[in-house]
Amino acid sequence: AQSVTQLGSHVSVSEGALVLLRCNYSSSVPPYLFWYVQYPNQGLQLLLKYTSAATLVKGINGFEAEFKKSETSFHLTKPSAHMSDAAEYFCAVSEGLTGGGNKLTFGTGTQLKVEL
Amino acid sequence: ETGVTQSPTHLIKTRGQQVTLRCSSQSGHNTVSWYQQALGQGPQFIFQYYREEENGRGNFPPRFSGLQFPNYSSELNVNALELDDSALYLCASSSGQVPYNEQFFGPGTRLTVL
Repeated sequence: AQSVTQLGSHVSVSEGALVLLRCNYSSSVPPYLFWYVQYPNQGLQLLLKYTSAATLVKGINGFEAEFKKSETSFHLTKPSAHMSDAAEYFCAVSEGLTGGGNKLTFGTGTQLKVEL
Repeated sequence: ETGVTQSPTHLIKTRGQQVTLRCSSQSGHNTVSWYQQALGQGPQFIFQYYREEENGRGNFPPRFSGLQFPNYSSELNVNALELDDSALYLCASSSGQVPYNEQFFGPGTRLTVL
């Protein structure tokens, strides 16, 4: 089974500072990896995804992530945090189902707090 | 383009009761997945439906069951509710069975079991 681990359940940064949210994966096959964001009382919104086309993936709202096979990592970064980035962030890996299709296996999430 | 919608938004039930949650998939999507998100946790996969057939199930007991209809909308049914079933239930729709396709999530149904 594939899995992801998110280090740091809570991260706090100052507005304008670098955002770094960590995600490590475990997979026996080349993974498909995703970052989702969840605002309070809302569903999940896709930020970006890795599909093996390029190791540096750019997403929405200025976020990007780099796939590093040697480190089994897919960390999410943003050069300059904005107050509106405060939310919970989930890393996920796509895993095939026996009947076809795929499911997402999520990490436990990282709550990002942005301070003035 | 209409996104994924879920109803109801909130629900309160007592232990032992049964509940049905509903999901309308995004236009053009034929695959629906259901996830359970307990407080402070990441979503956990319950099952997936593709063209009205269940094609995968997570580690949930049989009292969690579902349906997908010809218009690709879906229901999640939970029988004999337990306190631990209290969670946010998320529905996600996608197109086809390609593993890197995005799953589009609805806003969820918050279920509280007393």
